[in-house]
Amino acid sequence: EAGVTQFPSHSVIEKGQTVTLRCDPISGHDNLYWYRRVMGKEIKFLLHFVKESKQDESGMPNNRFLAERTGGTYSTLKVQPAELEDSGVYFCASSRIPGSSYNEQFFGPGTRLTVL
Amino acid sequence: GNSVTQMEGPVTLSEEAFLTINCTYTATGYPSLFWYVQYPGEGLQLLLKATKADDKGSNKGFEATYRKETTSFHLEKGSVQVSDSAVYFCALGNTGNQFYFGTGTSLTVIP
Repeated sequence: EAGVTQFPSHSVIEKGQTVTLRCDPISGHDNLYWYRRVMGKEIKFLLHFVKESKQDESGMPNNRFLAERTGGTYSTLKVQPAELEDSGVYFCASSRIPGSSYNEQFFGPGTRLTVL
Repeated sequence: GNSVTQMEGPVTLSEEAFLTINCTYTATGYPSLFWYVQYPGEGLQLLLKATKADDKGSNKGFEATYRKETTSFHLEKGSVQVSDSAVYFCALGNTGNQFYFGTGTSLTVIP
């Protein structure tokens, strides 16, 4: 079974530009999550999709971030316009059933975003 | 609220040394606790988990015991190998769907 994949692995952009990150979850996993790790700090939750619907987007930092999951398969996370503080590693995770309390979330390798 | 506090790194050990990485948590209710590991160039992988107090999770020689009285979930391994070099994350899952992570501890094992 293929794992969670993310593209690109690295992205370097200038402040003010737009970047789109992509995540392909494990096939059959309805739940998809985005997390971010900034400057070696803790990994923080951004949002959670169930199929194509946003279940929880309480962690999205501001309206420069837009996540979509059309068709309930892959997801994109767009940052527009990017700011310096958006630099970090963006992780995607998926699970077959909701991840609360008992269930493992399967993580991708992350996309390292650097905003100059 | 929910939070995880994890031992600061980086940690450097010689091969066959004993490893402890401390993790304490704050939570309401009855969370589950996890250790994830990130090897260089790879994604986070579940290392072990415990879903209730006094449970011990174990995998690949690593162990952690869910201690409700001390709100801790310390990771231990009796004899580390070079291949254990990675970043280790303690995480908590509670009601709701997000996980709460610690800051990560980078471990380097030297031969």
